[in-house]
Amino acid sequence: DTAVSQTPKYLVTQMGNDKSIKCEQNLGHDTMYWYKQDSKKFLKIMFSYNNKELIINETVPNRFSPKSPDKAHLNLHINSLELGDSAVYFCASRHGRAVQETQYFGPGTRLLVL
Amino acid sequence: GESVGLHLPTLSVQEGDNSIINCAYSNSASDYFIWYKQESGKGPQFIIDIRSNMDKRQGQRVTVLLNKTVKHLSLQIAATQPGDSAVYFCAEIRGGSGTYKYIFGTGTRLKVLA
Repeated sequence: DTAVSQTPKYLVTQMGNDKSIKCEQNLGHDTMYWYKQDSKKFLKIMFSYNNKELIINETVPNRFSPKSPDKAHLNLHINSLELGDSAVYFCASRHGRAVQETQYFGPGTRLLVL
Repeated sequence: GESVGLHLPTLSVQEGDNSIINCAYSNSASDYFIWYKQESGKGPQFIIDIRSNMDKRQGQRVTVLLNKTVKHLSLQIAATQPGDSAVYFCAEIRGGSGTYKYIFGTGTRLKVLA
């Protein structure tokens, strides 16, 4: 019954590798987000998709490429991983229409780049 | 207490006391604000929201106050319990239908002392 799920929960990898994180929501939402949370707990938006269309693209290195195959899924692919990419990555979703719609977060993917 | 820079601000309160967590936001045009609670190892979770045309909103044991003059939000938790220990974030919402963007504050760690 998980509303927003992410895989994997933990990811440990070497510098220079390419990895993907997957996100799925079963809430019927049309808007999904990726956030990065650093070691100081600062939470920053990276991308947002609405109905599979990229809406928000913050100043993120182009090594990060989101993909939304359908409204229920938003994946994040990261090329040439760097030490500074180590963080917790959260997926979130909400209905896009009204400002008061609640945003639901996934449990996070803890990425450690060695 | 509060601090800026390297450390997450921490507020320590005795169990049963009231807690007040503060947040400053940046954009006077933001018209919607949310408080989130993030427990260890989990994603942020919605607590309470407030529109800019209000200055106070109450939930169960929580109250949010909005002072638009000084762009300040506060979250009051009555009769703080051990389960309230978490990191609390405020967020301001910008954008329009389908393009809502969440700007998170730096977070405050609440520690409840038995």
